[in-house]
Amino acid sequence: SQELEQSPQSLIVQEGKNLTINCTSSKTLYGLYWYKQKYGEGLIFLMMLQKGGEEKSHEKITAKLDEKKQQSSLHITASQPSHAGIYLCGADYRGDYKLSFGAGTTVTVRA
Amino acid sequence: SAVISQKPSRDICQRGTSLTIQCQVDSQVTMMFWYRQQPGQSLTLIATANQGSEATYESGFVIDKFPISRPNLTFSTLTVSNMSPEDSSIYLCSVARLAGGEQFFGPGTRLTVL
Repeated sequence: SQELEQSPQSLIVQEGKNLTINCTSSKTLYGLYWYKQKYGEGLIFLMMLQKGGEEKSHEKITAKLDEKKQQSSLHITASQPSHAGIYLCGADYRGDYKLSFGAGTTVTVRA
Repeated sequence: SAVISQKPSRDICQRGTSLTIQCQVDSQVTMMFWYRQQPGQSLTLIATANQGSEATYESGFVIDKFPISRPNLTFSTLTVSNMSPEDSSIYLCSVARLAGGEQFFGPGTRLTVL
């Protein structure tokens, strides 16, 4: 089974609505990274979480890491068309910056 | 953040040939990595590019197929050797600074092997 599970696989949201993506690890994380990818392009760094219970926000995006450091969520408030893309979580298990990625969540924002 | 460029951005190659991909960073970084993203898949780490020494490869990847160089702290190359259609992927380099822990990715090189 996968070490890192991302859900949902895809979602469609009406513009202005909120959305949440989850990333669950079968092992304790050293760090958890969130990225956004436009189709066929490079990854845009969103946030990195390292401490249990940590929460970070940037503009309308908030990421949280649970106390056990095995689950993270990414929440987008009042989604806009610019939020459309593929969201990837990447796990650092050993503190060596080598990332294992989830399968990704495709977000579509409908006007 | 770090500004990362990759060359070429895309290429179409014949099977049996080799392609070298370049990754340039605008500042000195400690860690550089190479990832592969196969069509419809997520990213898989190929290797860590070590400055002045041999790269460290992940399980399933070997130096003969993916030789890597890193002559200094801002530049690295990945060669995809003796290519087959299964090598068609996006290849991305990433960099990380030990301070802060953030990791940034290049724009990727889209490779198609015919």
